Amino acid sequence: EAEVAQSPRYKITEKSQAVAFWCDPISGHATLYWYRQILGQGPELLVQFQDESVVDDSQLPKDRFSAERLKGVDSTLKIQPAELGDSAMYLCASSPRQGSLGELFFGEGSRLTVL
Amino acid sequence: AQTVTQSQPEMSVQEAETVTLSCTYDTSESDYYLFWYKQPPSRQMILVIRQEAYKQQNATENRFSVNFQKAAKSFSLKISDSQLGDAAMYFCAYRSLNFGNEKLTFGTGTRLTIIP
Repeated sequence: EAEVAQSPRYKITEKSQAVAFWCDPISGHATLYWYRQILGQGPELLVQFQDESVVDDSQLPKDRFSAERLKGVDSTLKIQPAELGDSAMYLCASSPRQGSLGELFFGEGSRLTVL
Repeated sequence: AQTVTQSQPEMSVQEAETVTLSCTYDTSESDYYLFWYKQPPSRQMILVIRQEAYKQQNATENRFSVNFQKAAKSFSLKISDSQLGDAAMYFCAYRSLNFGNEKLTFGTGTRLTIIP
């Protein structure tokens, strides 16, 4: 069964360092989402791509976060510099252009700890 | 903007019993999707059940069913015959049908514990 792939699963870094997360959506899925899930809370959308274009990045802290999906397939989320408050689970999800009845398919996430 | 509220941070149920998780939401839209997602420890989030707002009939998936009250903006999840594998975080989520706003908006989650 096709899955959303994310790496790394775990990342420990010191504050002020740079960190990057990678996501490979299910093949053929046009829409890709990055969510941040702080411990004990629900996921919150950081950025949404439709193919290679950003549809919604209103909640992305653009002074330190960047995201790209250059060829409309896989995507990278970068944080530079990392801050203590960035410690969270970063979830990637994807959905097809149509036919999923609204369902998003999630990866296992990348857990970031900033020391 | 849409909001989703889950007022039960934690719930527990005896194995084989029934439990209901609550969810309310706020929207000005008339058509949308509602979901319950399950997030087991260290595993990815998976869809439990989906409700399309234009459908009056409550969705059912095996042991899982919902009570969808559109006017009250309420969407509760009932788990029957609870099993140990049902232990997880459960998130209620809303999805607009408007283009460019198809993101899922999640509640804060309910941690469900199954007591053997």
